[in-house]
Amino acid sequence: KAGVTQTPRYLIKTRGQQVTLSCSPISGHRSVSWYQQTPGQGLQFLFEYFSETQRNKGNFPGRFSGRQFSNSRSEMNVSTLELGDSALYLCASRPGQATYEQYFGPGTRLTVT
Amino acid sequence: QKEVEQNSGPLSVPEGAIASLNCTYSDRVSQSFFWYRQYSGKSPELIMSIYSNGDKEDGRFTAQLNKASQYVSLLIRDSQPSDSATYLCAVENYGGSQGNLIFGKGTKLSVKP
Repeated sequence: KAGVTQTPRYLIKTRGQQVTLSCSPISGHRSVSWYQQTPGQGLQFLFEYFSETQRNKGNFPGRFSGRQFSNSRSEMNVSTLELGDSALYLCASRPGQATYEQYFGPGTRLTVT
Repeated sequence: QKEVEQNSGPLSVPEGAIASLNCTYSDRVSQSFFWYRQYSGKSPELIMSIYSNGDKEDGRFTAQLNKASQYVSLLIRDSQPSDSATYLCAVENYGGSQGNLIFGKGTKLSVKP
């Protein structure tokens, strides 16, 4: 079974721009979570989607948004990029809300200049 | 805010030794616990899950859980240089702003040949 895939793998943007990242979960997995990872802060939860509905949301500003499609693929969008948004963005999937095991994709490395 | 605490390390062990990684958590009702391994520049990889008190062995890895003490550990026997990575402890959470898994900041393990 194929793992979680994320595109693009690397991205360089300038301040003020916006960016959209994509995640395809493991086949059959309906829950997708997004995390931001920086060296100082560790893994920080952004949001989780299940069956196209946002179930949980972390403490990030409204510039960070996401959505999930009917095929469970998910996108996250960051508008008005700031230098501090430079990070590794990770997507993780799990079969459903009764299962806590999550499997991570390779991540998207975003650099904001 | 629920917490998962890990010693950041680095923990340095010689090749062939036993590496012991520890984790404590604050939420007494948590039932599911996970260890992830993250190589530098890569995404976290799930290596162990444990749900019941006691030990769970998988190859060279043993996870230990003590719910009364709110303590989880990971032992790596016959440590190899390829085990050098950051190990993240994750604890089940019932959603909310911290998501469905709360991660510690990780312990960096270095295995010296």
